[in-house]
Amino acid sequence: GAGVSQTPSNKVTEKGKYVELRCDPISGHTALYWYRQSLGQGPEFLIYFQGTGAADDSGLPNDRFFAVRPEGSVSTLKIQRTERGDSAVYLCASSLNGGTSYEQYFGPGTRLTVT
Amino acid sequence: TQLLEQSPQFLSIQEGENLTVYCNSSSVFSSLQWYRQEPGEGPVLLVTVVTGGEVKKLKRLTFQFGDARKDSSLHITAAQPGDTGLYLCAGLPQESSYKLIFGSGTRLLVRP
Repeated sequence: GAGVSQTPSNKVTEKGKYVELRCDPISGHTALYWYRQSLGQGPEFLIYFQGTGAADDSGLPNDRFFAVRPEGSVSTLKIQRTERGDSAVYLCASSLNGGTSYEQYFGPGTRLTVT
Repeated sequence: TQLLEQSPQFLSIQEGENLTVYCNSSSVFSSLQWYRQEPGEGPVLLVTVVTGGEVKKLKRLTFQFGDARKDSSLHITAAQPGDTGLYLCAGLPQESSYKLIFGSGTRLLVRP
């Protein structure tokens, strides 16, 4: 079956611009996660959705970052006034439900480059 | 802040050699996972270990969770070029059921 998909696969933007990154989770998965992976590092947790609500957004670095999941399926990560330090691969994952029993399946990521 | 330190960061070995990757922390985790990530793709789960001292085998890969659930190791026997990739450990803190803490990864190159 279809896995987690993310669009675009690559995004190049200028400093100060606004970007939106999209995640399509596996159908039927209620839990959705965003991670950020900088070059040479492991992924870092950003935000966790259970259904439509953000259950934990403690990993968002500052108020320029915002994510939504209005219908409990597709999620969009929004970054305002992008900075060069925002350059990274943004990974989305989904799981059947939240909790330790459920494997997180990762998408291929969106590589964001801020020039 | 809970951290997972992985070592080594890079490993280049000849086909047929054995290797061990380590994942260490001062914190206790309720479970620990090992992932493999290929370029341009997301991490793919290899195994989850839950019980202190647990050992799991996946073909030529052996995973062990430390007795105190603070560390883990991945041992590969007779490495093949197809094992080349980035190996990541990730732990679930005791206070969270979903917030994975990842190590910085071990980049493995197996030369034919």
